[in-house]
Amino acid sequence: DAGVIQSPRHEVTEMGQEVTLRCKPISGHNSLFWYRQTMMRGLELLIYFNNNVPIDDSGMPEDRFSAKMPNASFSTLKIQPSEPRDSAVYFCASSYTGFTEAFFGQGTRLTVV
Amino acid sequence: DQQVKQNSPSLSVQEGRISILNCDYTNSMFDYFLWYKKYPAEGPTFLISISSIKDKNEDGRFTVFLNKSAKHLSLHIVPSQPGDSAVYFCAASVRADGLTFGKGTHLIIQP
Repeated sequence: DAGVIQSPRHEVTEMGQEVTLRCKPISGHNSLFWYRQTMMRGLELLIYFNNNVPIDDSGMPEDRFSAKMPNASFSTLKIQPSEPRDSAVYFCASSYTGFTEAFFGQGTRLTVV
Repeated sequence: DQQVKQNSPSLSVQEGRISILNCDYTNSMFDYFLWYKKYPAEGPTFLISISSIKDKNEDGRFTVFLNKSAKHLSLHIVPSQPGDSAVYFCAASVRADGLTFGKGTHLIIQP
């Protein structure tokens, strides 16, 4: 298996623009997580899905952030409008339901200028 | 309030010696603890885990110890090798509902 695949690897955008990050989980995994890593706050859980249904989005920082999982093999994290403080590395991870060990993608480094 | 704390931002250890990375937590509901390893420009990689019903788990050179009364866990790496140089994250979970991470410890293995 290729592992969790995230795209793009790097994204540079101007403040106010919409940004969409993409994730393909490991085939067969039915839990999917979005994390954000910053120097100040470390790795934080933003939202997680189980069987394509959002279970806990309490980590989503603001209404500007939204996430979807239209099917078992694809998820998006959207920021609209983006702001410079959204600059971070965003990770997607997946696991089997009930198994805590999650497998991470390589991350998307987002820079908002 | 940080629920998982790694108080040492960095640790330098000589090759061949034991590396001990520490982690403290505050949430008594955590029932599973994990260690992840991260190289630059890569995602975290799962290393080893322990359930709250155990106090020790061993996998090759890696051993995780859990002291529930002290709300403390540690990762021992012996012997330390140059490839172990990375950032190590402690993480905890309640019922597999996502992971709460510490801020990481940068381990540097000196030749």
